[in-house]
Amino acid sequence: GAGVSQTPSNKVTEKGKYVELRCDPISGHTALYWYRQSLGQGPEFLIYFQGTGAADDSGLPNDRFFAVRPEGSVSTLKIQRTERGDSAVYLCASSSRGRVTEAFFGQGTRLTVV
Amino acid sequence: GEDVEQSLFLSVREGDSSVINCTYTDSSSTYLYWYKQEPGAGLQLLTYIFSNMDMKQDQRLTVLLNKKDKHLSLRIADTQTGDSAIYFCAESMNTDKLIFGTGTRLQVFP
Repeated sequence: GAGVSQTPSNKVTEKGKYVELRCDPISGHTALYWYRQSLGQGPEFLIYFQGTGAADDSGLPNDRFFAVRPEGSVSTLKIQRTERGDSAVYLCASSSRGRVTEAFFGQGTRLTVV
Repeated sequence: GEDVEQSLFLSVREGDSSVINCTYTDSSSTYLYWYKQEPGAGLQLLTYIFSNMDMKQDQRLTVLLNKKDKHLSLRIADTQTGDSAIYFCAESMNTDKLIFGTGTRLQVFP
């Protein structure tokens, strides 16, 4: 596709439920990043993939959060036992050579936990 | 630790220059960035500067870096209503992780 695509654009879920957020990077981009942006804040780093492997997952807040990229393209961010504090916009970005200076961001998935 | 701070709000008249300021704490940052975020749109990288540079100019944008004071600024010349957005300063020590500030909301009025 022309840009980074994230689905769904909005997700409302009940506290305690499991959710999956999807990111389709730009075709051919080997690096993929997940960030979380809470209301009124700047984005916070969650995890960085180079190919299929997580090169840096130091930003994942706890073991309820997990992300995969099994074929080195599409990535899924998975959140178990959602809490109201997980409500945020989840942003995905990709770059062709693993350089964040060349990363393109998607429009994000707005997650609301009620 | 890593911390990036920005003022929350800036209001300017159309045609004037805007200056958005940012301070950071990590002296080992190698790159510093300015991003723009408009409602319903993704984050857009405006420009970035390598830490061994003092200034970078790109059309209407001028970035100034004062490493001694850990201060970064973005000047937008001839500000237009289309420049109204939230501007984020960010830093990185390597190429895989950005540390963002809280953002400055720029409002341009006629």
